[in-house]
Amino acid sequence: DSGVTQTPKHLITATGQRVTLRCSPRSGDLSVYWYQQSLDQGLQFLIHYYNGEERAKGNILERFSAQQFPDLHSELNLSSLELGDSALYFCASSPRAEHPPRSGYTFGSGTRLTVV
Amino acid sequence: AQTVTQSQPEMSVQEAETVTLSCTYDTSENNYYLFWYKQPPSRQMILVIRQEAYKQQNATENRFSVNFQKAAKSFSLKISDSQLGDTAMYFCAFMKHAGAGSYQLTFGKGTKLSVIP
Repeated sequence: DSGVTQTPKHLITATGQRVTLRCSPRSGDLSVYWYQQSLDQGLQFLIHYYNGEERAKGNILERFSAQQFPDLHSELNLSSLELGDSALYFCASSPRAEHPPRSGYTFGSGTRLTVV
Repeated sequence: AQTVTQSQPEMSVQEAETVTLSCTYDTSENNYYLFWYKQPPSRQMILVIRQEAYKQQNATENRFSVNFQKAAKSFSLKISDSQLGDTAMYFCAFMKHAGAGSYQLTFGKGTKLSVIP
């Protein structure tokens, strides 16, 4: 157990629907990063939150959004889902934003999203 | 933009033997960090080893070691005494400060390693 909790582990939904993926960072970690892993694009950075504040955006579609709550858990919202959104979505946490995480991040086990 | 290239989509090695996974990257940065992550069938991303670009000494973690050649922008992973549990997808990753305190990883496409009994 890495200490980073992602729910649900699996999600199957239809095109056009909206889903919410949840991430609870490791205790004490203030940063949450979201990554998408797909067969064609590989692992890609989506968005980074630090202590409730958005810090950086990567290749995140406009249909996707995220937020980090006061208790530091984060949610990734995916709307108007398309078949191509099927992927493994990881969140990862690290202690602070101001210094590089010397051990990289701590990853959750991911949410497998299947859009049918 | 940074790119990370892993030129070996698949590799196999006999148990107890040594294998080296290749990784090259492209960047104009001088300060950055390099990582190898392992993703077994359980799909958990597990840190194997890390290297700071400013350090000349190659990192070592038990059976895992790297050959970091900064000028050549090469960062290979050597696994000694391979074990069945090493069977996994291995990702090379580059990290730099992207501003606003954000440290993002750029991943290679991965190398699927199979350890054969």
